[in-house]
Amino acid sequence: DSGVTQTPKHLITATGQRVTLRCSPRSGDLSVYWYQQSLDQGLQFLIQYYNGEERAKGNILERFSAQQFPDLHSELNLSSLELGDSALYFCASSVDRGGLNTGELFFGEGSRLTVL
Amino acid sequence: SQKIEQNSEALNIQEGKTATLTCNYTNYSPAYLQWYRQDPGRGPVFLLLIRENEKEKRKERLKVTFDTTLKQSLFHITASQPADSATYLCALFSGGYNKLIFGAGTRLAVHP
Repeated sequence: DSGVTQTPKHLITATGQRVTLRCSPRSGDLSVYWYQQSLDQGLQFLIQYYNGEERAKGNILERFSAQQFPDLHSELNLSSLELGDSALYFCASSVDRGGLNTGELFFGEGSRLTVL
Repeated sequence: SQKIEQNSEALNIQEGKTATLTCNYTNYSPAYLQWYRQDPGRGPVFLLLIRENEKEKRKERLKVTFDTTLKQSLFHITASQPADSATYLCALFSGGYNKLIFGAGTRLAVHP
């Protein structure tokens, strides 16, 4: 058990809909990372938050947004969903003193999104 | 453009042999490199981190090397066991971009 909790574990929805994925980091970790993993793309970095502020951005679509709340949990919002958004979405946390990645990431078990 | 390359083909080896996986990168100057293990449908699990000024790192049956001249890391599992079967991912931290970027991973299958 990594200590990172993601909900929901599975989600099935239709094209055009909007979903919210939630992540609770390990106790004491200030950084939260979001990654997307689809069969043909591997683990793609989406975005990182550190202590409530955005620190790094990857290839995150404009239809996607994220935030980190004062209690350090994070949410990833996916809107106007398309078939191609079907994937495993992972959240990871790390201590990251100062906001820069300093070591290992602890991953949650992922949220599997299926868009029909 | 920046690239991380891992063998896309699965590596099949016999139990007891040493498995060697490769991670090559271009257009990066990583401060360090990490290796993760991922089982199907599960989140990646951290294995080892090696810094740019370190040539080699060991942990139990695992060994990682890092050659910044060749822009390559090798990941070795000695005395492999069927339980080592999984996908192994390398990840690079690029300080300039403040991102931890993952390779596509190599699937290892250890046969009894």
